[in-house]
Amino acid sequence: DADVTQTPRNRITKTGKRIMLECSQTKGHDRMYWYRQDPGLGLRLIYYSFDVKDINKGEISDGYSVSRQAQAKFSLSLESAIPNQTALYFCATSDGVQPQHFGDGTRLSIL
Amino acid sequence: ILNVEQSPQSLHVQEGDSTNFTCSFPSSNFYALHWYRWETAKSPEALFVMTLNGDEKKKGRISATLNTKEGYSYLYIKGSQPEDSATYLCAFSGGSNYKLTFGKGTLLTVNP
Repeated sequence: DADVTQTPRNRITKTGKRIMLECSQTKGHDRMYWYRQDPGLGLRLIYYSFDVKDINKGEISDGYSVSRQAQAKFSLSLESAIPNQTALYFCATSDGVQPQHFGDGTRLSIL
Repeated sequence: ILNVEQSPQSLHVQEGDSTNFTCSFPSSNFYALHWYRWETAKSPEALFVMTLNGDEKKKGRISATLNTKEGYSYLYIKGSQPEDSATYLCAFSGGSNYKLTFGKGTLLTVNP
């Protein structure tokens, strides 16, 4: 089983819909992160969390929200999806010392 | 916004060639420099975390060096193989190790 699991792996939806991407981990890490990747751009940080109920904005948080109700889970929501949120989304975890450990990604397409 | 630059953007080499690419980052408030390897349809995997000026790390045919005073790191691959084809990402953290700023990556293609 993967240490960092993202669901769904792929999603196609329409503009205006509410979307939730889930991330769960079995690594016991306190820190969790959401990134998006667009062609020609690096991974950009959306939100991060150091502990349960701790939420911090990253570089590109507008249009997104997150929830950290348990140490092992960090969910990302798009309240009203728009086409320019079409991207590959990654969740990552860290213990603050070792490198970040990434999930397999969620490919999101908004029509 | 921190500026982390990687060059070249892409690189094609023949099997057996040795190659290297560069990551440049802010030289002030340095904490760590990470290198990741990202194969298509997979997740990025950590190669190295480097923290000390002059640090040199090696994993098999891949090695990396770090110069924090001038703000650059080199990644070297000796005797490239087709399975080395991937995007190589560097990421900078300043002040502490909790938040990374990624470069856009170098896409390496190794032709058999």
